[in-house]
Amino acid sequence: SAVISQKPSRDICQRGTSLTIQCQVDSQVTMMFWYRQQPGQSLTLIATANQGSEATYESGFVIDKFPISRPNLTFSTLTVSNMSPEDSSIYLCSVVPQPGQKNTEAFFGQGTRLTVV
Amino acid sequence: AQTVTQSQPEMSVQEAETVTLSCTYDTSENNYYLFWYKQPPSRQMILVIRQEAYKQQNATENRFSVNFQKAAKSFSLKISDSQLGDTAMYFCALHTNSGYALNFGKGTSLLVTP
Repeated sequence: SAVISQKPSRDICQRGTSLTIQCQVDSQVTMMFWYRQQPGQSLTLIATANQGSEATYESGFVIDKFPISRPNLTFSTLTVSNMSPEDSSIYLCSVVPQPGQKNTEAFFGQGTRLTVV
Repeated sequence: AQTVTQSQPEMSVQEAETVTLSCTYDTSENNYYLFWYKQPPSRQMILVIRQEAYKQQNATENRFSVNFQKAAKSFSLKISDSQLGDTAMYFCALHTNSGYALNFGKGTSLLVTP
């Protein structure tokens, strides 16, 4: 299993500013992901955070808007840059501690509820 | 590419009754895993149950069980003896061995009433 601490839990930000969300895991994990959950919607994958290399972004998400750092196997940050009201969402980090094993359960942080005004 | 479809945006069930949430999916891969996650108002995503595609036997976890129909690409969740604490958003999700990121359905909002 894995315990994930995600900060902040919520924030209200002015448009045009940036917010960095932190995700700390209690064990070393290779697979880490960032998801966005728009109001009333499902979770959409933003990117896979790769340790020691650039993140792999999904279609519709770009590094300039959502830069990701992954300095080690227990920590990652997601920055939402130059925010607009359309960025108001819940952002969640997730890890898969045992990829390739029979149990490939994903664990999630508590989410960051971002409101852009 | 994989897709996951949940056709029931909202459902309601009385306490102690049984409810079934539907999910269909599509993938071209042979090895994949299916999950049901629960998201209560706290936003914390909680795994309810998982099914490996290579297993024919339906997974069961206490009051939760699935009906996995591989040929029909169907993966429904049955909640027995519903409890008030089961009130939450339920997401069906899938990943394959070629990538462990999850593809989620749109979710079903379940309300358990007294």
